[in-house]
Amino acid sequence: GAVVSQHPSRVICKSGTSVKIECRSLDFQATTMFWYRQFPKQSLMLMATSNEGSKATYEQGVEKDKFLINHASLTLSTLTVTSAHPEDSSFYICSARDVEWGPGGTPPYEQYFGPGTRLTVT
Amino acid sequence: AQKITQTQPGMFVQEKEAVTLDCTYDTSDPSYGLFWYKQPSSGEMIFLIYQGSYDQQNATEGRYSLNFQKARKSANLVISASQLGDSAMYFCAMRDSGDKLIFGTGTRLQVFP
Repeated sequence: GAVVSQHPSRVICKSGTSVKIECRSLDFQATTMFWYRQFPKQSLMLMATSNEGSKATYEQGVEKDKFLINHASLTLSTLTVTSAHPEDSSFYICSARDVEWGPGGTPPYEQYFGPGTRLTVT
Repeated sequence: AQKITQTQPGMFVQEKEAVTLDCTYDTSDPSYGLFWYKQPSSGEMIFLIYQGSYDQQNATEGRYSLNFQKARKSANLVISASQLGDSAMYFCAMRDSGDKLIFGTGTRLQVFP
């Protein structure tokens, strides 16, 4: 259980175009999904937190007009990179958190990660 | 501010030997969780082990164990009986009460025959 998929796994686009990346929780419902970016040989950096039915919360320094996030259902969040440029080339990873709560009212502690999407902007 | 530090950019270990990957953290939040993830060259993040700040015992999952020293704010990962397939990047991460995961810079582990 707890499988998260991402589509596409790899995409190449031309500078100035927009690219949409989908993140789906396949066997559980996720009120919250997270989007990360990872540059080569670097760590994962949180870009934004996506909550179902509400606006995403962006981390400092992340342009919300450039990275559009939509979390329309409990199983799907999308990240659209608008007017992509070569510096947007990166590995984008999503994660999803189960709606189920743990014992004692504590939130689930585990984020389930998707396999990632490698974006190359030429 | 919360911070995760992994001071070993790379580690080598011989097959069947044990290896320890270091992780220290900093937070003022009394409630937090510590995670270790493995990232092979394919890119996916594989959850390995979790330790809660209030857990009394060190977490263990098969060949993985977490050496949790709360006073020192360290959460080192111990991999016993290393296998060639363990070669990957390993990330330590912390989740605070704000529910965000903060990752360290990672350690590249290479297992040789």
